[in-house]
Amino acid sequence: DAKTTQPTSMDCAEGRAANLPCNHSTISGNEYVYWYRQIHSQGPQYIIHGLKNNETNEMASLIITEDRKSSTLILPHATLRDTAVYYCIVRVVHKLIFGTGTRLQVFP
Amino acid sequence: EAQVTQNPRYLITVTGKKLTVTCSQNMNHEYMSWYRQDPGLGLRQIYYSMNVEVTDKGDVPEGYKVSRKEKRNFPLILESPSPNQTSLYFCASMTGQGRRNEQFFGPGTRLTVL
Repeated sequence: DAKTTQPTSMDCAEGRAANLPCNHSTISGNEYVYWYRQIHSQGPQYIIHGLKNNETNEMASLIITEDRKSSTLILPHATLRDTAVYYCIVRVVHKLIFGTGTRLQVFP
Repeated sequence: EAQVTQNPRYLITVTGKKLTVTCSQNMNHEYMSWYRQDPGLGLRQIYYSMNVEVTDKGDVPEGYKVSRKEKRNFPLILESPSPNQTSLYFCASMTGQGRRNEQFFGPGTRLTVL
């Protein structure tokens, strides 16, 4: 079973920040939180990951709460090309356990 | 260009006719994995391989076989396909080294078993 809970869908206006929440209340101390996205039926694409500190890269920022039970993926300036399904994943050793993700629709 | 390739991309076959979906990566990754994706179920792991000649079952291995004779290749074999194996299949690879441990996914193979 997936160890994360995400909203089924979200909308965001183009140019605005998209904030995608994720709950992972049973996460263990050494498990990382990963975010991937899948555009249409293409292969999932890595976005970012973190353990307990906030992380930022060229695509997004990841905010992890201090108790590590939840996190938020932030796309600072969403574009139409960011329309996709976003998966929050708690990685167990090498294995990615995918849930059903959040379908983000960016509108003009 | 670093990539994972899969062939074929689309396949329609009939029940019982053996088939192989190939997967190849050019990143010298140790770890490779197969997933299937079905509506409402997300991606589920079929088999994985930690290195050459080392393979193990994932969550849904029934009806599938794999082999890892070379580091770059990880074929998925359906000895006797059935309609419930109609799905979208993804191969992925990952280095065993380093902090990022990002999995790279192939473009997918859409399989229909009639």
